[in-house]
Amino acid sequence: AQTVTQSQPEMSVQEAETVTLSCTYDTSENNYYLFWYKQPPSRQMILVIRQEAYKQQNATENRFSVNFQKAAKSFSLKISDSQLGDTAMYFCAFMKGGGGADGLTFGKGTHLIIQP
Amino acid sequence: EPEVTQTPSHQVTQMGQEVILRCVPISNHLYFYWYRQILGQKVEFLVSFYNNEISEKSEIFDDQFSVERPDGSNFTLKIRSTKLEDSAMYFCASSEPNYNEQFFGPGTRLTVL
Repeated sequence: AQTVTQSQPEMSVQEAETVTLSCTYDTSENNYYLFWYKQPPSRQMILVIRQEAYKQQNATENRFSVNFQKAAKSFSLKISDSQLGDTAMYFCAFMKGGGGADGLTFGKGTHLIIQP
Repeated sequence: EPEVTQTPSHQVTQMGQEVILRCVPISNHLYFYWYRQILGQKVEFLVSFYNNEISEKSEIFDDQFSVERPDGSNFTLKIRSTKLEDSAMYFCASSEPNYNEQFFGPGTRLTVL
């Protein structure tokens, strides 16, 4: 079984600052995917970024980027030039590879607050 | 842009009653999922469904739960005899075959009194 750990229950930064959210995971799988989901107060789950484990290059989506360290089983999310709209819960998630209907395993989340 | 829809947005029921939560996945998706999030806690996987049968299920998905695709568009989660601890947000998600991104619906908030 997989586990996903997010050690920061809450973080607060000023608008326009850069913030990094931590995530570690444990698995015996070699083929898998990692995700960061954002959950604003509306509670809708929104995919922020994903990383395939077989890719060494870190994924980037506009202001969002990841630092994927496969050997250390670490997958952190960096948000640059943070905006008020980034305030939300952020969940790190793991999914086995293989192309089947595999469920996501989520961490407990980090509540990110962007201060004006 | 296609999206997953869920109805109702909020369901209130009495303990011991049966509830059915409904989802309409994105039309060309073939994998379907249900997740649960108890207030203030993490999102937990319940079950996945493919080709009209359960593909994978978690320990949470016991005999009081069932899933069904009654027609070509709906995907339902039934809870036979609700308990107070079933109060949670229930999310439906869908994905294309061999594609790793799951698209989530807006959720149904279930309150068991």
